[in-house]
Amino acid sequence: AQRVTQPEKLLSVFKGAPVELKCNYSYSGSPELFWYVQYSRQRLQLLLRHISRESIKGFTADLNKGETSFHLKKPFAQEEDSAMYYCALRTQGGSEKLVFGKGTKLTVNP
Amino acid sequence: NAGVMQNPRHLVRRRGQEARLRCSPVKGHSHVYWYRQLPEEGLKFMVYLQKENIIDESGMPKERFSAEFPKEGPSILRIQQVVRGDSAAYFCASSPSVGLYGYTFGSGTRLTVV
Repeated sequence: AQRVTQPEKLLSVFKGAPVELKCNYSYSGSPELFWYVQYSRQRLQLLLRHISRESIKGFTADLNKGETSFHLKKPFAQEEDSAMYYCALRTQGGSEKLVFGKGTKLTVNP
Repeated sequence: NAGVMQNPRHLVRRRGQEARLRCSPVKGHSHVYWYRQLPEEGLKFMVYLQKENIIDESGMPKERFSAEFPKEGPSILRIQQVVRGDSAAYFCASSPSVGLYGYTFGSGTRLTVV
């Protein structure tokens, strides 16, 4: 079965500190992984996808197939990074559906 | 471009009533997806539709739930005879074609069943 696990429900760091939001997945095929972010009172929006290998707002995420992980990292957190972060897995097979983790609420303190 | 528009933002229904949730996709997008988020849970896929067709409804409960995306007008998610367990946030997303590039979410409808 496809599953996405985000072990931390809440994560709190100080401004300028490194941050890592963990994501592990379970899927027998070749996964496509995404990170979505939801700022307060705003809609869910795509932050980055692993196949793009891009850095958005200073965030990066590397797909580690051996550890079945797709952790989101940023070396220096900013207060405006405070938000809900969701890791998501797209499965193969024609349907465009995503399997989401439960999310991690990141709070960056001044 | 107004993005994906969902209405109402908040909906309160008594047990046994019907709930109708509307989703207007981004202009030009012909693919619509509905997700449900229960309290303390992640988003769960419900149904994927293209104009006038249901492509994947593997996440839809077998009873009381239905969805449509007519040729004209918004996509509708209908829940008949609502129960307290239907209380959740319902999100709609749209994309212009197959592939998740441009997969845009709406702000959601929060359904409360009293």
